[in-house]
Amino acid sequence: GQQLNQSPQSMFIQEGEDVSMNCTSSSIFNTWLWYKQEPGEGPVLLIALYKAGELTSNGRLTAQFGITRKDSFLNISASIPSDVGIYFCAGSNFGNEKLTFGTGTRLTIIP
Amino acid sequence: NAGVTQTPKFQVLKTGQSMTLQCAQDMNHEYMSWYRQDPGMGLRLIHYSVGAGITDQGEVPNGYNVSRSTTEDFPLRLLSAAPSQTSVYFCASSYRHSSTDTQYFGPGTRLTVL
Repeated sequence: GQQLNQSPQSMFIQEGEDVSMNCTSSSIFNTWLWYKQEPGEGPVLLIALYKAGELTSNGRLTAQFGITRKDSFLNISASIPSDVGIYFCAGSNFGNEKLTFGTGTRLTIIP
Repeated sequence: NAGVTQTPKFQVLKTGQSMTLQCAQDMNHEYMSWYRQDPGMGLRLIHYSVGAGITDQGEVPNGYNVSRSTTEDFPLRLLSAAPSQTSVYFCASSYRHSSTDTQYFGPGTRLTVL
């Protein structure tokens, strides 16, 4: 099946730093989604992207739908302790709405 | 609204035992699905349903059965548990089977098969 590769696998940053992570695919997606999962919980949708080149923000989070439709990026500005968790990208295509999830980026904030 | 609820939260089984993981939603969502989450592999779709009476296979369906007799409930059955089924299982639902509809995830069931 399709594979979504996320990088980095894990990040250790200090509070206040900016964070960048990305997701790449071997094939095209029409929709890119970014989820956050906190310990002991299910994933929660952060941002949804529906158009190539689209840049969408949600508070301190900004995500972009890559022009090639094979990648997406998520940035977090001025990180705070509650940003800790695992961030997943997911892609889907119109007419085949099953989500394919990435392998996740684990974010840890060093006090 | 309770959202998506899953029971049990934790379960330990012996190889060969059967059990049912329960999932319910009170949002009148048409679409429901089951995923498993394994370290380093993200979430993989097991089975899904686009409405009551309709189910279909996802990416990793072997060893699992589902049924959808009501809009609210979507149980996942393991007929003969195997150690390879040790995982965290998430149920999700959305209003429609569309990538433009937000999927809401339950809190998960952590299953260990010895």
